[in-house]
Amino acid sequence: EVQLVESGGGLVQPGGSLRLSCAASGFTLSSYSMNWVRQAPGKGLEWVSFISGSSGTIYYVDSVKGRFTISRDNAKNSLYLQMNSLRAEDTGVYYCAREVISGGTGDYWGQGTLVTVSS
Amino acid sequence: DIQMTQSPSSLSASVGDRVTITCRASQSISSYLNWYQQKPGKAPKLLIYGASSLQSGVPSRFSGSGSGTDFTLTISNLQPEDFATYYCQQSYNTPPYTFGQGTKLEIK
Repeated sequence: EVQLVESGGGLVQPGGSLRLSCAASGFTLSSYSMNWVRQAPGKGLEWVSFISGSSGTIYYVDSVKGRFTISRDNAKNSLYLQMNSLRAEDTGVYYCAREVISGGTGDYWGQGTLVTVSS
Repeated sequence: DIQMTQSPSSLSASVGDRVTITCRASQSISSYLNWYQQKPGKAPKLLIYGASSLQSGVPSRFSGSGSGTDFTLTISNLQPEDFATYYCQQSYNTPPYTFGQGTKLEIK
């Protein structure tokens, strides 16, 4: 059974940092590109970042470029999102999602982890 | 970036109804269009990929159509568990993978 479990969310002050993790099981992580998607409270979905299976290709939404870094450790079956210089507008639930075979964020999603940026 | 516009933003319907949600892309995206269902407090669930392919395990009352810039999600014979928010997402070429703003389907 495919499972994705996020962790690492929490309350952080503006300008602070957090590192999100996503533990994958039930499939060979290295064979799949992965994504992070977020959802601000009461708002819609926003794609955040993409990483290919080999980490050779990475993309970010413009609003997080230079502040967030996506990475993966296929040997540890894990995906990460390092978030620096956090802003109030980064508040929301962050989901990791496995890439759909034809493209797009997710045929499987984690349950999400809540990030709250507030003083 | 490609913009995705869904309509309507909200919709009221009854159990047994047939409903259609529309998604329009700001440029041609061929058939690189996915549909998701999200219930409160839960992660999104993939319903349709490649504009018209039904994801494994999704009931056949869900169907998708369209190509280019105009797409539709149709739900036939609405069931109580179908009341949720629906999102389209384009996956044309490289990211960013933009989502529509969502359509909230409510019980009439």
